[in-house]
Amino acid sequence: GAVVSQHPSRVICKSGTSVKIECRSLDFQATTMFWYRQFPKKSLMLMATSNEGSKATYEQGVEKDKFLINHASLTLSTLTVTSAHPEDSSFYICSAHQVLAATEQYFGPGTRLTVT
Amino acid sequence: AQSVSQHNHHVILSEAASLELGCNYSYGGTVNLFWYVQYPGQHLQLLLKYFSGDPLVKGIKGFEAEFIKSKFSFNLRKPSVQWSDTAEYFCAVTIKAAGNKLTFGGGTRVLVKP
Repeated sequence: GAVVSQHPSRVICKSGTSVKIECRSLDFQATTMFWYRQFPKKSLMLMATSNEGSKATYEQGVEKDKFLINHASLTLSTLTVTSAHPEDSSFYICSAHQVLAATEQYFGPGTRLTVT
Repeated sequence: AQSVSQHNHHVILSEAASLELGCNYSYGGTVNLFWYVQYPGQHLQLLLKYFSGDPLVKGIKGFEAEFIKSKFSFNLRKPSVQWSDTAEYFCAVTIKAAGNKLTFGGGTRVLVKP
């Protein structure tokens, strides 16, 4: 089956620093990856759609300069949280569409970010 | 924009009881419907999905869901739950016109008592 990995699984950083989270599709190619944020005891909120070779599309209210997304290849998308603040602490989850079967998304295990 | 609502935020039941979780969406066009499950400490897993055809969809672990177009609903059911079904369940929708972006419901936390 299609597997999506995320790295790191947990990260703690100091306020003002930047953190990069990687999302990889391990056994398939993904033209589109999605980045979500999940608050405690809440549902997933779509942050942005990452398209290979082009700029990401951000949802309303998501700061594109704060959450930098790069989709450099068909198997890798990265989310960089720049100048992190405590309110950015959250669970970040990515998902990926297969190139030839863009009807289902496969989810990564998520990254727990804590900003101190 | 489409939205998804799940009626119950928390459900507590005993093993062997039947489970039904409600899900309604608001969009008048063609939709794809999903139910995901998130077990404690684990990532989202697909339970079942509906794209077209038979509106009664069977998924993994004994779950099924019925798409009722006239009611804009896609309720999840399981006739007899187990303790291991304790998890959070999310209903989600995609529409082709929105680039296959998933819109999630608020989730229902299910606790099955042994």
